[in-house]
Amino acid sequence: QVQLVQSGAEVKRPGASVKVSCKASGYTFTSDDINWVRQATGQGLEWMGWMNPKSGNTGFVAKFQGRATMTRNTSISTAYLELSSLRSDDTAVYYCARGFPGRPGDFLHWGQGTLVTVSS
Amino acid sequence: EIVLTQSPGTLSLSPGERATLSCRTSQSLSSTYLAWYQQKPGQAPRLLIYGASSRAPGIPDRFSGSGSGTDFTLTISRLEPEDFAVYYCQQYGGSPITFGQGTRLEIK
Repeated sequence: QVQLVQSGAEVKRPGASVKVSCKASGYTFTSDDINWVRQATGQGLEWMGWMNPKSGNTGFVAKFQGRATMTRNTSISTAYLELSSLRSDDTAVYYCARGFPGRPGDFLHWGQGTLVTVSS
Repeated sequence: EIVLTQSPGTLSLSPGERATLSCRTSQSLSSTYLAWYQQKPGQAPRLLIYGASSRAPGIPDRFSGSGSGTDFTLTISRLEPEDFAVYYCQQYGGSPITFGQGTRLEIK
């Protein structure tokens, strides 16, 4: 079955960077986009952007451009989100998510989430 | 950006009752690109409905979606105890992908 397994929780200082991984299994990793969605504690869902694992092409919401980088290692079916210049309001659970064939924006599969805490 | 406004913010109902959740979009949206998710505390969201009215795999038939244009509805015909959660609508017909702010469905 399809699984997205994310890396563990992180605690970072303001101004630092964090890199979260998302390891895919149960399907062909390069067949569908990987998306990243975050959720601050007690808040709603915020889509950050997408990556095509086959081409490496990415797209971001404007507020994250210049600060977020999405990469992948196809040999181990893993996608990465790196967020730099961290601020306290970046404290959130970060999810990777994938649609399904023909439905790229309907997120059927989700990682378990990675809590990133930014605190001095 | 397409803004999604969900109502009500909180819905208090009892098991066995019918729940009707609303999602309004700031501009007309093809129903193809409207989805609903359920989220329980400490869990990732779960896709319930895609294409405004199609149930995702494994979703019970008490969940149904409808709507078109700017008005969409998620209906839970008879609430089970496990249905009390937060529900989000989401669109990807316009960029960026956006979510509504959520409706909390709580036990009365």
